[in-house]
Amino acid sequence: ILNVEQSPQSLHVQEGDSTNFTCSFPSSNFYALHWYRWETAKSPEALFVMTLNGDEKKKGRISATLNTKEGYSYLYIKGSQPEDSATYLCASPRNEDSGYSTLTFGKGTMLLVSP
Amino acid sequence: DGGITQSPKYLFRKEGQNVTLSCEQNLNHDAMYWYRQDPGQGLRLIYYSQIVNDFQKGDIAEGYSVSREKKESFPLTVTSAQKNPTAFYLCASSIEGAFANQPQHFGDGTRLSIL
Repeated sequence: ILNVEQSPQSLHVQEGDSTNFTCSFPSSNFYALHWYRWETAKSPEALFVMTLNGDEKKKGRISATLNTKEGYSYLYIKGSQPEDSATYLCASPRNEDSGYSTLTFGKGTMLLVSP
Repeated sequence: DGGITQSPKYLFRKEGQNVTLSCEQNLNHDAMYWYRQDPGQGLRLIYYSQIVNDFQKGDIAEGYSVSREKKESFPLTVTSAQKNPTAFYLCASSIEGAFANQPQHFGDGTRLSIL
């Protein structure tokens, strides 16, 4: 089974702080890395699917970088707001015997932003 | 609005009873997935299906069964053989699943508890 590790497990910041967290994944046979945001009482929502080494993607105040050679991705949130409070999940594809690919998810980083 | 609908939101199971969780999507996606979430764990894959009338076991399929008779529907049955069914269940879909480089879209989940 693929190992996808996220750190830290949880984070508590003040409104306006910038923050970042890490996703580590096996670098061999890489072809994609997913980031999702999961707010309480809502469904997980896709943020980014990253495929290229050195890629940087941005969505509002949230951005992500990717290093496929060393097997990590950073998610940055600039000027955190209370509405950014959520669990952030990353996931890495793995090839199944069926010939299809499925996602292996990390345990997530739970972010709490206090006003 | 296109999306994934899971029902019911809460479900209670008696000992020895089979229960079925519904998942319907109107996104015209080929691939559908069932995940289970337990406290402190990442999302774990139960079953997945890439096309109608075909599905594969995920990492924790024991005690579960699925069907995929229609593209839009992927119900999950939690059988009496599943000894620890109390968990939060998420259904997801993606345009295709061959390479897992398309984002997954999630339902709101079903929380299953034992009476």
